[in-house]
Amino acid sequence: QKEVEQNSGPLSVPEGAIASLNCTYSDRGSQSFFWYRQYSGKSPELIMSIYSNGDKEDGRFTAQLNKASQYVSLLIRDSQPSDSATYLCAVNGDNNNDMRFGAGTRLTVKP
Amino acid sequence: DAGVTQSPTHLIKTRGQQVTLRCSPKSGHDTVSWYQQALGQGPQFIFQYYEEEERQRGNFPDRFSGHQFPNYSSELNVNALLLGDSALYLCASSLAPAGVYEQYFGPGTRLTVT
Repeated sequence: QKEVEQNSGPLSVPEGAIASLNCTYSDRGSQSFFWYRQYSGKSPELIMSIYSNGDKEDGRFTAQLNKASQYVSLLIRDSQPSDSATYLCAVNGDNNNDMRFGAGTRLTVKP
Repeated sequence: DAGVTQSPTHLIKTRGQQVTLRCSPKSGHDTVSWYQQALGQGPQFIFQYYEEEERQRGNFPDRFSGHQFPNYSSELNVNALLLGDSALYLCASSLAPAGVYEQYFGPGTRLTVT
């Protein structure tokens, strides 16, 4: 079992719709959770961090965390073509000194 | 506010050679982590440096080594290059007390081994 799992996609949504990206993790002791966006040929860009159960909103982005279900998600409201990218879920590893990444979900927002 | 910088941007090496990649952390950050990202995969943790020492290491062979300087910049060295070492090498910096933190990535170095 992979430590951090994401659907590889591609996930395709129309412009203006809500995109929902999901991630599950295996280590119940994980405390820190991150979403990164990576455009093709570029490096990952941090867009959200979440540490407590519940929702955290930042602009059009909402991260949701459920530690009991070992599940973290990212919602993107009013999706724009510029949101088309690969979204990486990351979870802290042992001792909080490293991050374990999923393979990413490729999102396409169609005009 | 200067972000994370890496050099070089691209590099082509031959099997068996050695390579050194460089990273300068974001202003105010004291911790540097290195990751390897193969095509279509998420980044894989190589190691992390803090206070000029390797604090934690991922599942990479000893051919991968590093260093952190007093100004917090860091180097990643890879010896005896293999074709499988071809990847995007990412440096991430953070301000890392024990516990939770956020890491910010540099633009990466694309290494091609022929």
